[in-house]
Amino acid sequence: DTGVSQDPRHKITKRGQNVTFRCDPISEHNRLYWYRQTLGQGPEFLTYFQNEAQLEKSRLLSDRFSAERPKGSFSTLEIQRTEQGDSAMYLCASSYGTANSPLHFGNGTRLTVT
Amino acid sequence: QQQVKQSPQSLIVQKGGISIINCAYENTAFDYFPWYQQFPGKGPALLIAIRPDVSEKKEGRFTISFNKSAKQFSLHIMDSQPGDSATYFCAAIGTGNQFYFGTGTSLTVIP
Repeated sequence: DTGVSQDPRHKITKRGQNVTFRCDPISEHNRLYWYRQTLGQGPEFLTYFQNEAQLEKSRLLSDRFSAERPKGSFSTLEIQRTEQGDSAMYLCASSYGTANSPLHFGNGTRLTVT
Repeated sequence: QQQVKQSPQSLIVQKGGISIINCAYENTAFDYFPWYQQFPGKGPALLIAIRPDVSEKKEGRFTISFNKSAKQFSLHIMDSQPGDSATYFCAAIGTGNQFYFGTGTSLTVIP
């Protein structure tokens, strides 16, 4: 069990550019989540996958955001035409089993949009 | 609106003291209440969790107290240590797939 891995750890980009983050969950975990965390706040739900199917998306996930989990393994989160308000920590978490199984978080990707 | 309300926002405790963090919720469909600990630059890590069929759960120095009728739950850290200095988040989940997190409590334990 190597834990949830996220790449990159930090990303600085100019407004209007596209960025893509990667998450590698714990290998046997079938559920994968993306959360966003801003300074002084708790994680906010963005989207959820069960295996390769994206089953739920938050209204926080605008049309500029897209997430994929091909083959039910790693996942990517893409933000198009970034805005300064997108600056945040993007956290990936995975779990195994039912909806209320414990979440295992990665260390996040910190995005700064200048 | 905030599904889980957490207080206090920050807490300073002397080494050896008891740290108490409180959370409240409204949605009676919530049936799993975990607490997460987060250090700077790291993702949240599960600390302890409780389901509403019990009123208390203890793991080492960490205890969750749960009051179903009041829709409140709290984390007690006994014999607080400087290494406990971190941000703590309560959370809740029900029939959906979203964990709802509180806004966090920054705990500082003074040696």
